[in-house]
Amino acid sequence: SQQGEEDPQALSIQEGENATMNCSYKTSINNLQWYRQNSGRGLVHLILIRSNEREKHSGRLRVTLDTSKKSSSLLITASRAADTASYFCATDARRAQKLVFGQGTRLTINP
Amino acid sequence: EADIYQTPRYLVIGTGKKITLECSQTMGHDKMYWYQQDPGMELHLIHYSYGVNSTEKGDLSSESTVSRIRTEHFPLTLESARPSHTSQYLCASSANGNQPQHFGDGTRLSIL
Repeated sequence: SQQGEEDPQALSIQEGENATMNCSYKTSINNLQWYRQNSGRGLVHLILIRSNEREKHSGRLRVTLDTSKKSSSLLITASRAADTASYFCATDARRAQKLVFGQGTRLTINP
Repeated sequence: EADIYQTPRYLVIGTGKKITLECSQTMGHDKMYWYQQDPGMELHLIHYSYGVNSTEKGDLSSESTVSRIRTEHFPLTLESARPSHTSQYLCASSANGNQPQHFGDGTRLSIL
């Protein structure tokens, strides 16, 4: 069964606005990761948050993790056209040596 | 960008042909992975390897096979391609199983 589910499936906003994507998962994890995928390319790692962390920042990215709700959110502030991409969360179930990816959120930034 | 390379980037080929998709990384990572992804959809793990001479099937059943004779090389083979194999195949590597994965740009495979 799928470990991660993302919401919304698609999001379209104006340049300069903030974008928020959510990820829910089912089992205990060691960490949760967010990736970006531009059209026709591979995934690029954005940020990793450990299960004992609640919030992490990287540039315009802010990730939160709530292990009690088994959920995470990715906030992109002051969005740019170049942020247009699909964003995936990935979780590693404890004792597993692999990641399970969510369905992804397709983000479109309108100029 | 990470040093992981996939060839070819695009392949259009007829049914019944034998295909090998290449994946190489120069980071010395022990862990390597193959994912299948239809356009705009989620990734499905089809094969992974913990190191040389180690290969495991992933979460999605696949008719493909893999080998890991060298650390840097993790090719995927389809013995007899079918239209149902049409998809994008992404290769990735990581230093550890729960650490960030580095992805190649994928091979977009179309079987006629």
